[in-house]
Amino acid sequence: DADVTQTPRNRITKTGKRIMLECSQTKGHDRMYWYRQDPGLGLQLIYYSFDVKDINKGEISDGYSVSRQAQAKFSLSLESAIPNQTALYFCATSDTGTNYGYTFGSGTRLTVV
Amino acid sequence: KQEVTQIPAALSVPEGENLVLNCSFTDSAIYNLQWFRQDPGKGLTSLLLIQSSQREQTSGRLNASLDKSSGRSTLYIAASQPGDSATYLCAVSSNTGKLIFGQGTTLQVKP
Repeated sequence: DADVTQTPRNRITKTGKRIMLECSQTKGHDRMYWYRQDPGLGLQLIYYSFDVKDINKGEISDGYSVSRQAQAKFSLSLESAIPNQTALYFCATSDTGTNYGYTFGSGTRLTVV
Repeated sequence: KQEVTQIPAALSVPEGENLVLNCSFTDSAIYNLQWFRQDPGKGLTSLLLIQSSQREQTSGRLNASLDKSSGRSTLYIAASQPGDSATYLCAVSSNTGKLIFGQGTTLQVKP
């Protein structure tokens, strides 16, 4: 089993729909992140969480929300999806014990039509 | 605001060639620098992590160097193989653990 699991792997949704992307980890890491990747733009940080009670906005948080349900689970929601949110979404974890070495999930490819 | 730049954006080399990928960052107050590999449509695989106090790290045919004062890192790939074809991403971390990524260098190694 993967250390960081994202579901679903692929999703097509309509404009205006609410959608949730889920991430779970077995690394035991305290820190979790959501990134978005657009072609030619690298990865941009959407939200991050340093523990269950800590949620922080990243560079591009508008239109997104998150929930840290447990140390191992961090979900990303699009309240009302729009076409320019079509992208590849990655969840990642890190830990102070690993000097912030990151582990990434395999990604969710989201298409908003 | 930290900015990370990778040059070149794309690179094509014949198999067996040694090559260097470049990464620069604007704020030298980093905690560490990481190099990742990404295959098309896939996730990121961590290749090397260099702490701010270190000058280089090696793993197999890969060697990454860090010059914090000049805001530069290089990833050296020795004896390139077609299986090395991928996008290579550089990212720097502040002491809060947040990563700032470059846009990547897409490498093609031709047989």
